[in-house]
Amino acid sequence: EAGVAQSPRYKIIEKRQSVAFWCNPISGHATLYWYQQILGQGPKLLIQFQNNGVVDDSQLPKDRFSAERLKGVDSTLKIQPAKLEDSAVYLCASSFTSGVGRDSYEQYFGPGTRLTVT
Amino acid sequence: TQLLEQSPQFLSIQEGENLTVYCNSSSVFSSLQWYRQEPGEGPVLLVTVVTGGEVKKLKRLTFQFGDARKDSSLHITAAQPGDTGLYLCAGRGQNFVFGPGTRLSVLP
Repeated sequence: EAGVAQSPRYKIIEKRQSVAFWCNPISGHATLYWYQQILGQGPKLLIQFQNNGVVDDSQLPKDRFSAERLKGVDSTLKIQPAKLEDSAVYLCASSFTSGVGRDSYEQYFGPGTRLTVT
Repeated sequence: TQLLEQSPQFLSIQEGENLTVYCNSSSVFSSLQWYRQEPGEGPVLLVTVVTGGEVKKLKRLTFQFGDARKDSSLHITAAQPGDTGLYLCAGRGQNFVFGPGTRLSVLP
């Protein structure tokens, strides 16, 4: 079974530029998550999709961050314009979320995209 | 906002030693998960605990969920260099939240 795919793996941009990240979840997984992990910290949930609908985006800085999951499969996360403090690893995860049993919420993570804003 | 704290923040031990890391909160979680993350990779799920007081074992790793479902511990017996990594706890309550992690280094 293929895992969660993310691209690019690394990105360096200047502040005020725009950047986009792509994620392809595990086939059949209805729920997709985007996390921001700043160096030395745990991942922080930015947005959670259930199929192509948003379940939770309470911690997404909506003035500069946007995300979409058209057709309920792959997803893109965009930052426009980027700030220095956006330097982090952006992780995508997916889960089956059948709602039945403890395993239904198990999240599978991609390798992440390391963003450096200079 | 539900928060998770982890202790210690850093831990460096010799191969063969035992260790325990802790995950604490003032909030109740319906379930709690432990992940291990290695450099350049995403977190990998180790275990999910759901019932208060639950104990789960995974080879040399023992996980316990507190009776009140507010805290958890991870105990590693006879640590090996392959156990080196960032150990993250994550709780599901109103939201899904990660702790800051414990960075473990096991020296040969």
